[in-house]
Amino acid sequence: DTAVSQTPKYLVTQMGNDKSIKCEQNLGHDTMYWYKQDSKKFLKIMFSYNNKELIINETVPNRFSPKSPDKAHLNLHINSLELGDSAVYFCASSQGLALGTDTQYFGPGTRLTVL
Amino acid sequence: AQKVTQAQTEISVVEKEDVTLDCVYETRDTTYYLFWYKQPPSGELVFLIRRNSFDEQNEISGRYSWNFQKSTSSFNFTITASQVVDSAVYFCALSEHGDYKLSFGAGTTVTVRA
Repeated sequence: DTAVSQTPKYLVTQMGNDKSIKCEQNLGHDTMYWYKQDSKKFLKIMFSYNNKELIINETVPNRFSPKSPDKAHLNLHINSLELGDSAVYFCASSQGLALGTDTQYFGPGTRLTVL
Repeated sequence: AQKVTQAQTEISVVEKEDVTLDCVYETRDTTYYLFWYKQPPSGELVFLIRRNSFDEQNEISGRYSWNFQKSTSSFNFTITASQVVDSAVYFCALSEHGDYKLSFGAGTTVTVRA
């Protein structure tokens, strides 16, 4: 069983469209994250949720809206897609917020291509 | 400001060679945590190790070893007797106490040639 899963794995879409990426973890963790990896492989935090509550919003454009319907899911909705949104988006989860003890486990990534 | 610097962009070695990946970090906190993650060509991110700032003991896990030196703010990673399967991008990351996120370095691409 995949611990952190994301769908879809690949997403190709036109500029201006709205799209969603789904993430689910079956680890029983309380905390979930979205990271963006750009074309130069640089990884940057976007959001984190703990027990469905937003903890980190790292100056991400408000076209990006995370939604956590329950602790096991953190979805990412992107409105009005732009070329610069093309990247690999990684979901991650950890038991809690204490990264000194709680390891972040990453999903397989979703490669978003905006044409 | 970049908190984690991985100065080596790419390293290419022949199988069985040792390879050391440098990681230099910057923080004013006394409590912080350092990590290494591996991203193989398949794309997933795999956790390798975590170190807290109070534990400067070096660690060895099979062919992998880590050298943490607070005096130089470095957390270097050595792969001994490299294998083709070690080919990947390796990321060093920092989490400051109460920060609740990982700040990644730019990554080092390691290519091991047969």
